[in-house]
Amino acid sequence: EDKVVQSPLSLVVHEGDTVTLNCSYEVTNFRSLLWYKQEKKAPTFLFMLTSSGIEKKSGRLSSILDKKELFSILNITATQTGDSAIYLCAVEGEYGNQFYFGTGTSLTVIP
Amino acid sequence: SAVISQKPSRDICQRGTSLTIQCQVDSQVTMMFWYRQQPGQSLTLIATANQGSEATYESGFVIDKFPISRPNLTFSTLTVSNMSPEDSSIYLCSVFRGTGELFFGEGSRLTVL
Repeated sequence: EDKVVQSPLSLVVHEGDTVTLNCSYEVTNFRSLLWYKQEKKAPTFLFMLTSSGIEKKSGRLSSILDKKELFSILNITATQTGDSAIYLCAVEGEYGNQFYFGTGTSLTVIP
Repeated sequence: SAVISQKPSRDICQRGTSLTIQCQVDSQVTMMFWYRQQPGQSLTLIATANQGSEATYESGFVIDKFPISRPNLTFSTLTVSNMSPEDSSIYLCSVFRGTGELFFGEGSRLTVL
C-alpha cells in the first residue's frame, strides 16, 4: 500500500531557529513530490520536486529530494511567527494525478 | 496559478440532512478532485470528478454518500448526504495543472451536530 510519512508530527521552535521537516514515501512509480503550507483551510503550494539532489529554494524555504532513499526534506531558516502552520507533503503516484498526502508536521514558532 | 472558489466557506448542519458544496475554477480543467480533511488528520481523496462521466471514488467512499456532479469543465459539486457527526471535516476541491501542481480551493468547513 502506498504510504507517505512525515516527521516530526509537531514542532515548537523560537523565532530565528532553523527547522528541518522530513517526508519519506513508499509510492509505486513515483512521479513527483509536493510540499504545501496549510494555515487555515486551503493548503498553499510551496515546491514540486521531481529530480534527486536538486535543491528548490524560495526565500528562507528550501527543499531537496532523494529518490534513492525515498525521502525529502523541507528546511526553513530564520523562522518567523508567520511560518507557524501545518506543512504537508504529497507524492504523486503511478497513475498520475493521484496524490498521497502525509499526516503533516505542525510547526509553531514562538516569538 | 489557478483560482478556485468554493462555497459555502463553512456551515453547521443537523444530523441526517445533506449539504452540497460548490467548486468553481477560473479556467477549464479536465480533472477536479475532492478531498476531505478530518480534524487533526491529513487530506484524503474522496473522488475524482471528470466532465461527462461518473466520478471515480476511492476506497471507503461511495456515490450514495458523496454524490458528485461535473456539468462542465469549470464547475463541480460534492454533496455530503445523510450527515452524521463523523462527517464533520474540511472538504477541499482541487485541480491539477499540467505544470504538476495541485491547487486547492479555500475549503468548506462542515460541522454536523
